[in-house]
Amino acid sequence: DQQVKQNSPSLSVQEGRISILNCDYTNSMFDYFLWYKKYPAEGPTFLISISSIKDKNEDGRFTVFLNKSAKHLSLHIVPSQPGDSAVYFCAASANSGTYKYIFGTGTRLKVLA
Amino acid sequence: DAGVTQSPTHLIKTRGQHVTLRCSPISGHKSVSWYQQVLGQGPQFIFQYYEKEERGRGNFPDRFSARQFPNYSSELNVNALLLGDSALYLCASSLEGTPQETQYFGPGTRLLVL
Repeated sequence: DQQVKQNSPSLSVQEGRISILNCDYTNSMFDYFLWYKKYPAEGPTFLISISSIKDKNEDGRFTVFLNKSAKHLSLHIVPSQPGDSAVYFCAASANSGTYKYIFGTGTRLKVLA
Repeated sequence: DAGVTQSPTHLIKTRGQHVTLRCSPISGHKSVSWYQQVLGQGPQFIFQYYEKEERGRGNFPDRFSARQFPNYSSELNVNALLLGDSALYLCASSLEGTPQETQYFGPGTRLLVL
C-alpha cells in the first residue's frame, strides 16, 4: 500500500522555466511533509518542508504548496537551472505512532540548457 | 560542520554472510534512523533510535538489527544476507527524532549481495 505517491517518474523542463513536481498521499494522519533532492551516488539532500497548519512555504527558488483537502502537495522550482537535474522525493510523517518518514518513489527532473 | 557520515561506502557480500554498517550523526543530533533504498523506489524505513533506545521499527525481518552507542553513532546489522538485501542503506540524523523534525541523510552504503 503506497501511502505517498509520485505518479510522474520523470519530467523535462527548459532552463529558466518553472518545474512543478507533484505528490499525493492517502493517510490523513500525515501532518509534516518534506522534499528531498538526490543526485546519483549521494544521499538525499533536504530541500524544503511544510507543516499541515500551512498551505505554502517558500525558500528562494523553491516553493511547496499543500492542499490538505485533496491530499496533494507540489514543489515549484522557479527558475529551473541545469543543476536542479536530480531525482526528487516527497516524504511525509504523522505526529503519532512511529517516528518515520514515508517516501514516494521519486520523480527524475531533467532541466535542459 | 560535518554532516552525517557512513561507512563503508560500498560493500560486496555473498548470500548467508553478515554485514555491519556504521553511521555517525551530525554533532548534537541524538536520533538516528536507518532506511533501505532499492533501485527505482523511495527509501523505506528500517529503524529509529533515540538516546540508545529503539523508537520505531519498520516492516523488516528479524535478520535486521541495530543499536546506538553513547556517542549517538549507530550500527545496522544484517544477518543471513539474501540477494534481495542488495540496496543503498541510508542513515539519517535529527536532533530529537520527533515527527516534525527534519532528518538529514548521509551518503549511504551501497551493499551488493552475490
